[in-house]
Parts: sequence; C-alpha cells; structure tokens
Amino acid sequence: SQQGEEDPQALSIQEGENATMNCSYKTSINNLQWYRQNSGRGLVHLILIRSNEREKHSGRLRVTLDTSKKSSSLLITASRAADTASYFCEMGGTSYGKLTFGQGTILTVHP
Amino acid sequence: NAGVTQTPKFRVLKTGQSMTLLCAQDMNHEYMYWYRQDPGMGLRLIHYSVGEGTTAKGEVPDGYNVSRLKKQNFLLGLESAAPSQTSVYFCASSYSMGRRGGELFFGEGSRLTVL
Repeated sequence: SQQGEEDPQALSIQEGENATMNCSYKTSINNLQWYRQNSGRGLVHLILIRSNEREKHSGRLRVTLDTSKKSSSLLITASRAADTASYFCEMGGTSYGKLTFGQGTILTVHP
Repeated sequence: NAGVTQTPKFRVLKTGQSMTLLCAQDMNHEYMYWYRQDPGMGLRLIHYSVGEGTTAKGEVPDGYNVSRLKKQNFLLGLESAAPSQTSVYFCASSYSMGRRGGELFFGEGSRLTVL
C-alpha cells in the first residue's frame, strides 16, 4: 500500500524565515496535495500538484514534485507565527481508490 | 454553507458500549471518508464511500461499520467500543478522488474516549 513519510517530523523557526518540509512516497501517483491542520481543528487544503507538473505556487507557498525521486517539498516563504500548524501531504494514487496521508510535519514559527 | 459537519464533537464511552458518529455535507459531494488520527500515526482511512448506498474498507476498518443511506450523510458506527478506539475521528468529503485529485473538505473532528 502507499505509504508516505514526511521530513522533518518537527520544525521550529523564527518569523520571517523560510520553512521547507518534504514528503516521500513509494508507489506512482497521479497527484499530490498538501494540507494544513491547526491544533484541534480539521485539515484544510493548501495546494495540489499533478504528476506532470514540477512546481506550483500559491501566495507564499511553493510546491515541487520530483516523480523520479518520488518526493515533494512544500516551501513557505517569510513565515509568520500564524503559519504554526501541522502540514500533511496526501498522495492520490493511479487507481480509483484510497487516499493516503503522510505522518505530518509540525511547524512552529516563533514571533 | 456549513461544509462538513460532525456530531458529536466529544464523547466518552465505556468498553463494550456502542455509538454512531454522524457526518453531514452540504456540497453535494459523491465521495465521503472517515479517518482516525492518533499521535504519531497521522491520518488513517477507516472506511470510505464513492456514492450513495456504497461503502468500502480503508486501511483500518476492523471494529467499525459505516452506512451511506443518503448522499449527504456518512455514518460511522462502533458496535462494541474498545480502548484502542480512543482517537480523534475526522470525516471528509470530495467531489472527485484518486486519479482526479479531488480536494478533501474536512469536518472539525470528533474526539472519542473509551474507558
């Protein structure tokens, strides 16, 4: 089954710094999505990247996808304290079926 | 629009008791899912549904049953609760899934404690 691993498990930075988190997976995907979860809340969709795309931007977010290495990264530029949350990648498979999440990266941005 | 609504938000059960979690979505989504989230385990898919009247097993289905009698509702049942089912449960829905990469819309979660 598809398993995702996120790295690092936790990241602590100062406001204004950039935050990079990575997601690796094992089997082929059609797309990969990133979600954010504030403490005690549900997940919120951030961005989707398809397997034929290498990079996408959305505001301060930049996502890359390297299908040859089976990995994706999420970059948050100029981090703010409000970016403090857990970030998850979700891997959409090549077959009609289940969706698999990574373990998540806990990001803490200090004011 | 309310989006995805889960009830109840909190529940404490004794071992062996039964209960049902209700998920309702008002976005006319075909696909609905139940996940559980445990510390250090991320989100694990329990059951999912690809349309009214259909259900399918996810990664960790044992001890749970589901029903999708109406398109907007997806029920998760615990017939005989066990302490191992203490978790936070999330319902989600999407317009599409898998190959077409549907964005998931999540509820706020239901925190279940089994004593």
